[in-house]
Amino acid sequence: AQTVTQSQPEMSVQEAETVTLSCTYDTSENNYYLFWYKQPPSRQMILVIRQEAYKQQNATENRFSVNFQKAAKSFSLKISDSQLGDTAMYFCAFMTYVNDMRFGAGTRLTVKP
Amino acid sequence: NAGVTQTPKFQVLKTGQSMTLQCAQDMNHNSMYWYRQDPGMGLRLIYYSASEGTTDKGEVPNGYNVSRLNKREFSLRLESAAPSQTSVYFCASSEAGQLRDEQFFGPGTRLTVL
Repeated sequence: AQTVTQSQPEMSVQEAETVTLSCTYDTSENNYYLFWYKQPPSRQMILVIRQEAYKQQNATENRFSVNFQKAAKSFSLKISDSQLGDTAMYFCAFMTYVNDMRFGAGTRLTVKP
Repeated sequence: NAGVTQTPKFQVLKTGQSMTLQCAQDMNHNSMYWYRQDPGMGLRLIYYSASEGTTDKGEVPNGYNVSRLNKREFSLRLESAAPSQTSVYFCASSEAGQLRDEQFFGPGTRLTVL
């Protein structure tokens, strides 16, 4: 089964602090991509960061970075220097088969001033 | 570029009514997708089209039909709406349907079936 689990339905963080969102997944495939998407209150889904399973180096995009643990099937998202604009739902997703993206249930992140 | 556009933004239907959700992209993408988003369940793939002229079932296709009208447009049809189809529907597109491809999403359609 291709499943994604986000165990934190809601999280909050103070502005300028760091927060980590958890994600685990299940697949028997070796080649796949992992993604974090952000959905702000406007509902528009936006790609935050992606990681290829074959790459050991963790991906980073400005204040966003991941901790990819392939053996543990874990793919967490770290947001540094949190900003009010980071308030959103965050979805972990992965794709093992072309065109078959699987999403987690999401984590609602609130950044407090 | 408008990206991915969807119409309508909101719709209320009665059980048994039919309707078509429209989606268009102006990025010259080959692949297009329809998802539904339900509370606590993330997004689930209904149908996708890997290229113009082809469509395939996703995870939850029952009760839906799709048409890839041309490279730009991909519509989703509910022939006989049911309350279980109350959801937010998202259309998305990607360049070539590869594993690494970013999917670009429309703003969504909130559908309520009474």
